[in-house]
Amino acid sequence: DIQMTQSPSSLSASVGDRVTITCQASQDISNSLNWYQQKPGRAPKLLIYDASNLETGVPSRFSGSGSGTDFTFSISSLQPEDVATYYCQQYDIVPLTFGGGAKVEIK
Amino acid sequence: QVQLQESGPGLVKPSQTLSLTCTVSGDSISNSRYYWSWIRQSAGKGLEWIGRIYTSGTTHYNPSLKSRVTISVDMSNNQFSLKLGSVTAADTAVYYCAGELVSYKYYFDYWGQGTLVTVSS
Repeated sequence: DIQMTQSPSSLSASVGDRVTITCQASQDISNSLNWYQQKPGRAPKLLIYDASNLETGVPSRFSGSGSGTDFTFSISSLQPEDVATYYCQQYDIVPLTFGGGAKVEIK
Repeated sequence: QVQLQESGPGLVKPSQTLSLTCTVSGDSISNSRYYWSWIRQSAGKGLEWIGRIYTSGTTHYNPSLKSRVTISVDMSNNQFSLKLGSVTAADTAVYYCAGELVSYKYYFDYWGQGTLVTVSS
């Protein structure tokens, strides 16, 4: 299985701050990586696909980059509605696997 | 608007079989652009992919659960189902069904709201 390691597991930042989360794959997955946002009691929602492509309708303050084994997810200016847990997910090889999540809170 | 809805018992006894059904509306489950998956999430923990089925009946399972899992599809009712045998307390989780787009783009496009299944006597 491909292990996906996210860091940090949680963070607290002020409104307007830039937030960055990393995701490391245990082997090369090219750009086969997606990012999801999950709010409490809700199903995950796709934000970024193929490592860097913004899903339609998702605010442009969200972005993703990387390839191979190292990936980054960023929120350029944190908003109150961005409080959530963010997960990376690889689809290069079955079993599909998710990172452990990064919980983002407002300071 | 495609919608997925999980249904099934919220309480299952240890050693028994967990059975859930996902009803798809707004699109045909025979749509060749999608795999239909089950994903679970234990309290306070991350997401675990259980397995998926394609319209052809082809299945892929997580090796960690493969010996206990069966996913099947019912085209006539636009549903797919999960059976997980010999459950223990460790199988207590919110179970999601999801549609995974697998045509030029590859991601979980549609999700059910999730259903909590508790394993307890």
